Amino acid sequence: KAGVTQTPRYLIKTRGQQVTLSCSPISGHRSVSWYQQTPGQGLQFLFEYFSETQRNKGNFPGRFSGRQFSNSRSEMNVSTLELGDSALYLCASKLAGAVDTQYFGPGTRLTVL
Amino acid sequence: AQTVTQSQPEMSVQEAETVTLSCTYDTSESNYYLFWYKQPPSRQMILVIRQEAYKQQNATENRFSVNFQKAAKSFSLKISDSQLGDTAMYFCAFMNGEYNNDMRFGAGTRLTVKP
Repeated sequence: KAGVTQTPRYLIKTRGQQVTLSCSPISGHRSVSWYQQTPGQGLQFLFEYFSETQRNKGNFPGRFSGRQFSNSRSEMNVSTLELGDSALYLCASKLAGAVDTQYFGPGTRLTVL
Repeated sequence: AQTVTQSQPEMSVQEAETVTLSCTYDTSESNYYLFWYKQPPSRQMILVIRQEAYKQQNATENRFSVNFQKAAKSFSLKISDSQLGDTAMYFCAFMNGEYNNDMRFGAGTRLTVKP
């Protein structure tokens, strides 16, 4: 089975722009979660989607949004980019509940100039 | 709020020796899950081991085992017979409840295995 894939792997944007990141979960997985990883704040939970609905949300401003499609693929959007949004964005998928193992993708490295 | 603390930013161990990474957490919940993830320099996060809070028996996966002390809210990872490929960042993580996927991570411990 193919693992979690994320595109693009690297991205450079300038302040004020918006960006969309994509995540394809493992086949059959219905839950997709997004995390932001920075040297200063570590790994922080952004949100989780399950069956096209946002099921959980972390403590991030409204500039961060996401969605999930019927095939479980998920996108994350960040509008009005700030320098502090530079980070590694990780996507993780699992079958459904907490008992299921969460598998991470390789991440998208976003640099905001 | 749930918090996860890893008090060892960096550790090193000689190849073939044993090392223990520490993790403590804070929660008022009774139903939760604990994890150790490994993030090698390639950046792909890999699950090392998981522990369900309701299970008293410590989880074991080959050379990796945990010491889960529920009353003390402690969840340490022991790596036996350390290998060069174990060099990575190790994150302790906590997840509360059945469908709450808000996984909280510790700051990580950078482990270096020396030949």
